[in-house]
Amino acid sequence: NAGVTQTPKFQVLKTGQSMTLQCAQDMNHNSMYWYRQDPGMGLRLIYYSASEGTTDKGEVPNGYNVSRLNKREFSLRLESAAPSQTSVYFCASSVWTGHQPQHFGDGTRLSIL
Amino acid sequence: DQQVKQNSPSLSVQEGRISILNCDYTNSMFDYFLWYKKYPAEGPTFLISISSIKDKNEDGRFTVFLNKSAKHLSLHIVPSQPGDSAVYFCAYSGGGADGLTFGKGTHLIIQP
Repeated sequence: NAGVTQTPKFQVLKTGQSMTLQCAQDMNHNSMYWYRQDPGMGLRLIYYSASEGTTDKGEVPNGYNVSRLNKREFSLRLESAAPSQTSVYFCASSVWTGHQPQHFGDGTRLSIL
Repeated sequence: DQQVKQNSPSLSVQEGRISILNCDYTNSMFDYFLWYKKYPAEGPTFLISISSIKDKNEDGRFTVFLNKSAKHLSLHIVPSQPGDSAVYFCAYSGGGADGLTFGKGTHLIIQP
């Protein structure tokens, strides 16, 4: 069981470059999420997709865009990377939104120079 | 907005003893709290949850207690094992579509 798969695992970008982080889940979940984790902090929600065809902003959406490509895939795009976006990015999925445990991928460690 | 606070960045416990991890929250609403465990270079893994209509939920070595009057919840691990060494996150779900609110985590270290 792969669960939630994120690619790439590591990436280094220069300021101003763009990049798309990929996420796919094979659990037939309806809802998907993108979080970021900074050192000494908890995870913070960037964007979420309650179901295929919908996306909404979370707590820290500035500088990011998302695409729910289909039920399995949810991508996160940085259009013009900034050093403040250096972080570990986690994708998660759940059966539905609400009181449902979320299942996480192993993260993408992104450094912006 | 609901906030969850884990005030202990780290906790060291001897193998075989009880580990108690604490979490405080700010708002009294219909709440649902979850505990996640995270190893380095891996994503968080769901451990156990509790609804605000309950005071306690148990799953094997893990028990979560909810004290609504004190706005406090705790995770008990008995007995503690070396594989329990990890960062533990308390998280809140408001029941809406907008994901989880996480605490900053507590690094649990199990000493042999």
